[in-house]
Amino acid sequence: AQTVTQSQPEMSVQEAETVTLSCTYDTSESNYYLFWYKQPPSRQMILVIRQEAYKQQNATENRFSVNFQKAAKSFSLKISDSQLGDTAMYFCAIGDNDMRFGAGTRLTVKP
Amino acid sequence: EPEVTQTPSHQVTQMGQEVILRCVPISNHLYFYWYRQILGQKVEFLVSFYNNEISEKSEIFDDRFSVERPDGSNFTLKIRSTKLEDSAMYFCASSELVGGPDYGYTFGSGTRLTVV
Repeated sequence: AQTVTQSQPEMSVQEAETVTLSCTYDTSESNYYLFWYKQPPSRQMILVIRQEAYKQQNATENRFSVNFQKAAKSFSLKISDSQLGDTAMYFCAIGDNDMRFGAGTRLTVKP
Repeated sequence: EPEVTQTPSHQVTQMGQEVILRCVPISNHLYFYWYRQILGQKVEFLVSFYNNEISEKSEIFDDRFSVERPDGSNFTLKIRSTKLEDSAMYFCASSELVGGPDYGYTFGSGTRLTVV
């Protein structure tokens, strides 16, 4: 079974600063995908970034980047130059045919 | 940008009634999923569907639940004998072939189901 743990239920950051959201996971698969999804107040699930486990290079998407530590089963999300629109729930997820989500981290960006 | 479309956005039903939640996945996607999110809680996997049959299902997906792809474009979730605890946001998602260059789930905007 695949499990995902997000140990930070809530975080806050000042606008324009950098914040890192933590995620650890467990899986018996040798190859898998990891994702971060954003859920703003509209409750839509929006893919932020994706990492393939067999790729050692950390994924980046504009202001979003990950620190993927496969041996430690850690997949943290770094948001640089935080913007007010980044305020949302962030879910870490693992999987392929049946994605499993963590409990989420509520991020608030303060002006 | 292709979208996953869900209808209705909000459904209210009497306890014990049947509901059908509808989804139109992205046309070239091959895998289809239903997830639910009870208000303020985590997103939970219900079922995955591939090649016209269920690939995986969770313990939440009991015999009151069923899925169907009736016409090659729609993907429906039916809940029979609804219970109060079925009240949640239900998300449909679809994905292309696992391992493809743009692999990832695309979620619909959800259907809020309220059982009264």
